[in-house]
Amino acid sequence: QSVLTQPPSVSGAPGQRVTVSCTGSNSNIGSTYDVHWFQQLPGTAPKLLISDNSNRPSGVPDRFSGSKSGTSASLAISGLQTEDEADYYCQSYDSSLSGYVFGTGTKVTV
Amino acid sequence: EVQLVESGGGLVQPGRSLRLSCAASGFTFDDYAMHWVRQAPGKGLEWVSGISWNGVTKIYADSVKGRFTISRDNAKNSLYLQMNSLRAEDTALYFCVKVLRSWYSGMDVWGQGTTVTVSS
Repeated sequence: QSVLTQPPSVSGAPGQRVTVSCTGSNSNIGSTYDVHWFQQLPGTAPKLLISDNSNRPSGVPDRFSGSKSGTSASLAISGLQTEDEADYYCQSYDSSLSGYVFGTGTKVTV
Repeated sequence: EVQLVESGGGLVQPGRSLRLSCAASGFTFDDYAMHWVRQAPGKGLEWVSGISWNGVTKIYADSVKGRFTISRDNAKNSLYLQMNSLRAEDTALYFCVKVLRSWYSGMDVWGQGTTVTVSS
């Protein structure tokens, strides 16, 4: 049972904008800990998409953006493309658990 | 090229042990904390364990605490996970992961994983 909750699925047409939410609590997202986002294409290892709430690592298209507010975080994908079909996970640190936590995961369908 | 290559997975009976290894290359291994993350078949990601750059700090998920031990050998650029008292629910693909910068930063490099199957 993950402490970070994401919607199971999100869908959109090519070119549209979609958002994926990640809801936590005061012991993780609502604290000083950053949120990171990962993209996992079918049959591959996860890839870091957004680090430290809103930073894109080198090579990640600027169509992907992240934000954090209170006990929640969001990943936005604008100009949706077919190659964006994947599972997306948020991740943070939880002080109550003294460990790292991943979100429940969201399947994005284009 | 920055690379992480896991090995040591396999089929093991419940209650037995297994040791996973991860060979790192292409970066200064002892500058970074490392983690193990697993993914059960058809399920989401689950963080398993993390170790600081010098091996002093080690943390574990409650689900593996007392059964798994993480370690590293910076001279060999290698990360390990000793798994004892294995259970069916430990069946998963195990990823070796490097942090981007600091202890709480994102995980920027992932291996391809090694599969552990616990079954009689």
